[in-house]
Amino acid sequence: GEDVEQSLFLSVREGDSSVINCTYTDSSSTYLYWYKQEPGAGLQLLTYIFSNMDMKQDQRLTVLLNKKDKHLSLRIADTQTGDSAIYFCAEKPSGGYNKLIFGAGTRLAVHP
Amino acid sequence: EAGVAQSPRYKIIEKRQSVAFWCNPISGHATLYWYQQILGQGPKLLIQFQNNGVVDDSQLPKDRFSAERLKGVDSTLKIQPAKLEDSAVYLCASSGLAGRPSDTQYFGPGTRLTVL
Repeated sequence: GEDVEQSLFLSVREGDSSVINCTYTDSSSTYLYWYKQEPGAGLQLLTYIFSNMDMKQDQRLTVLLNKKDKHLSLRIADTQTGDSAIYFCAEKPSGGYNKLIFGAGTRLAVHP
Repeated sequence: EAGVAQSPRYKIIEKRQSVAFWCNPISGHATLYWYQQILGQGPKLLIQFQNNGVVDDSQLPKDRFSAERLKGVDSTLKIQPAKLEDSAVYLCASSGLAGRPSDTQYFGPGTRLTVL
């Protein structure tokens, strides 16, 4: 089946690193995505990783993929108050029409 | 490049009334998606269009929801009649690499619907 799970809440101090975790169930997923949603806004694509990769780095963002455990993580280095938002993990199962399956989102709160 | 446009941004209606949402995708994007995001949940795909044809509407409650994309560009999503449980944010997304695994979806700001 298709299911994506995330922890609901994470609180970090400004300047520390944040790690948001996600597990998914469809081992055939081709791509995995991280989206950011700020209050009252739509989803902003942060980064994505192809399923044959283990890691992808993009400035302050590092994505780690453990395909064996179906575990995805997003690390934000030097977390700032502007990073406070809800972060959604999404998988794209193979064989679908480009359909995305989203987790419920992790609310990141950054405090001074 | 202009993003995905949606209107209205907010709508409040009473149950059993009708409502329509409009979406204009990124120019040149062939694929358009409507998602429903209930408070505290992730978005759930309602319907996906490839140009003006439907490719996936398996999770669309067809007894009350309808959507069209007549000219393969903008799209409308309608609810008739609305129920309390339809209160949600309706997100439109588009993508431009039709059928390719690397096809990335870009989202609009959403329409927040409240049904009283």
